[in-house]
Amino acid sequence: KAGVTQTPRYLIKTRGQQVTLSCSPISGHRSVSWYQQTPGQGLQFLFEYFSETQRNKGNFPGRFSGRQFSNSRSEMNVSTLELGDSALYLCASSLTVTAGANVLTFGAGSRLTVL
Amino acid sequence: AQSVAQPEDQVNVAEGNPLTVKCTYSVSGNPYLFWYVQYPNRGLQFLLKYITGDNLVKGSYGFEAEFNKSQTSFHLKKPSALVSDSALYFCAVIMDTGRRALTFGSGTRLQVQP
Repeated sequence: KAGVTQTPRYLIKTRGQQVTLSCSPISGHRSVSWYQQTPGQGLQFLFEYFSETQRNKGNFPGRFSGRQFSNSRSEMNVSTLELGDSALYLCASSLTVTAGANVLTFGAGSRLTVL
Repeated sequence: AQSVAQPEDQVNVAEGNPLTVKCTYSVSGNPYLFWYVQYPNRGLQFLLKYITGDNLVKGSYGFEAEFNKSQTSFHLKKPSALVSDSALYFCAVIMDTGRRALTFGSGTRLQVQP
């Protein structure tokens, strides 16, 4: 059974650019969550999607957005990149929504460096 | 509201010795508690969870954790550490009700010396 796949694994952008990250969940998983991981702030929740609907959103500016497709694949977009957006972006999938005992299965992450 | 604290940035232990990684939580309802581990250049891997029932939870790779409601703690333990256990460990909490996301602690780096 394939795990959670995130692409690209590494990318470098410059300030002001935008970036799109992709996440393919485990087959059959309908919920996708995104987290930002930085050395200073740790793991911070970005948003969660279930059945193509954003179900929950963290405390990030509107430059951060996401969506989910009918096949449960998800993308997140960051516009007008800032240096502080440099981070490891982790995607996690679960069978249903995470408001409960569902275990999250994480991808390896997309490491974004903003110059 | 929900939060979790991992008071130690790093824990050092000799191989073969028991290890403990500490975690305390705060929720306004009943908690679901998790431990995840992260190896270099990898995502997080699930170790174990507490939902209800027995306060001692056993998980992957010989790890276990004890839920203590009075002390609001969920410490991770292993009787005998391996060098391969060296990694970053995250405790996480979510309330049993409401539309919330999993909240992670700041992480504890475990270093097991040969």
